[in-house]
Amino acid sequence: KAGVTQTPRYLIKTRGQQVTLSCSPISGHRSVSWYQQTPGQGLQFLFEYFSETQRNKGNFPGRFSGRQFSNSRSEMNVSTLELGDSALYLCASSFTGVNTGELFFGEGSRLTVL
Amino acid sequence: QQQVKQSPQSLIVQKGGIPIINCAYENTAFDYFPWYQQFPGKGPALLIAIRPDVSEKKEGRFTISFNKSAKQFSLHIMDSQPGDSATYFCAASTQAGTALIFGKGTTLSVSS
Repeated sequence: KAGVTQTPRYLIKTRGQQVTLSCSPISGHRSVSWYQQTPGQGLQFLFEYFSETQRNKGNFPGRFSGRQFSNSRSEMNVSTLELGDSALYLCASSFTGVNTGELFFGEGSRLTVL
Repeated sequence: QQQVKQSPQSLIVQKGGIPIINCAYENTAFDYFPWYQQFPGKGPALLIAIRPDVSEKKEGRFTISFNKSAKQFSLHIMDSQPGDSATYFCAASTQAGTALIFGKGTTLSVSS
């Protein structure tokens, strides 16, 4: 069974640009979550989607957005990039959601903002 | 109230030792407490999880101890091995929650 796939794995952007990250969940999983990981703040929740609906959003500015498609694949977008957005962005999938089952994480997309 | 506080930040033990990582929380609505293990270059992976109706759970060499009244839980790794060297995160969520609240992580190094 294929795991969670995230693309691209690495990318470099400059301040002010925007970026789109993609996540393909495990087949059959309908919940997709996104987390930002930095050395200083650790793992912070961005948002969670289930069957194309955003069910929860973390405390991030509106520059961070996401969506989920009918095949459960998800994308997140960060507009007007800032230096502080440099981080590892992790996608996680589960069958129904975090409290009813295990979250399976991808290997992440490492974003560097110059 | 949404925080999960984890300590220590880093830990070095000898092979065969029993590292202990501690976490504390304030939100009494939390009812699911997983531990995740992360190796460099990889995403976190679920190690073991516990719910408040039990005080201890063992899976292989990994044990979670849970103290509901103190709002604390801890991970013990028995007979630690160099392959256990990784970053460990505790986390919590509510029954209705769709997000995990993570501790800041503990970097464990097991020397041979």
